[in-house]
Amino acid sequence: NAGVTQTPKFRVLKTGQSMTLLCAQDMNHEYMYWYRQDPGMGLRLIHYSVGEGTTAKGEVPDGYNVSRLKKQNFLLGLESAAPSQTSVYFCASSAPDRKNTEAFFGQGTRLTVV
Amino acid sequence: AQKITQTQPGMFVQEKEAVTLDCTYDTSDPSYGLFWYKQPSSGEMIFLIYQGSYDQQNATEGRYSLNFQKARKSANLVISASQLGDSAMYFCAMRAAGGYQKVTFGTGTKLQVIP
Repeated sequence: NAGVTQTPKFRVLKTGQSMTLLCAQDMNHEYMYWYRQDPGMGLRLIHYSVGEGTTAKGEVPDGYNVSRLKKQNFLLGLESAAPSQTSVYFCASSAPDRKNTEAFFGQGTRLTVV
Repeated sequence: AQKITQTQPGMFVQEKEAVTLDCTYDTSDPSYGLFWYKQPSSGEMIFLIYQGSYDQQNATEGRYSLNFQKARKSANLVISASQLGDSAMYFCAMRAAGGYQKVTFGTGTKLQVIP
């Protein structure tokens, strides 16, 4: 029972480098989310997807891009990393059929941009 | 727009005592769900409890209960008989149908249980 899996778990980038964070879920969930967590600011929504082939902006989308080519995968890209993107990134997924369905989270990715 | 407010950055509670963590929310959507998550120092997000906007009774899950006051737009988490393992960050979150099911989080409350 894998649930939501994020890769990688840790990464250090130099300013200007690019990378992709992968999120995979095996629960057949329609909705997937990317959040960033910073001290004192809770979890802020970066982008989300309500189904395969669809994406939408959240609260803090600048500097990030996403793709949902397959239902089970949601990719978060950083084209040109900046120190302000140092954060812990969480992916989550949920099912839309019942409003009380909670979001299931991955273990998080700790990203440091130097 | 959806907004969740948690006004207590940190709380202390004596072991075996009850504690209430505050959460207020704002949404214009009549249909929404409220959640509480626990984040221990290890970092994972653990779902605790859910309350639907149309639910007549307050939700309970073991030692966790949600004090839902719809008119005041508050959804406070009550933890009874605190244990040392309850020390963690606690996040209140909301999901509204009109918000395309996106889940919005508060800034969290750090709870420390004192032996």
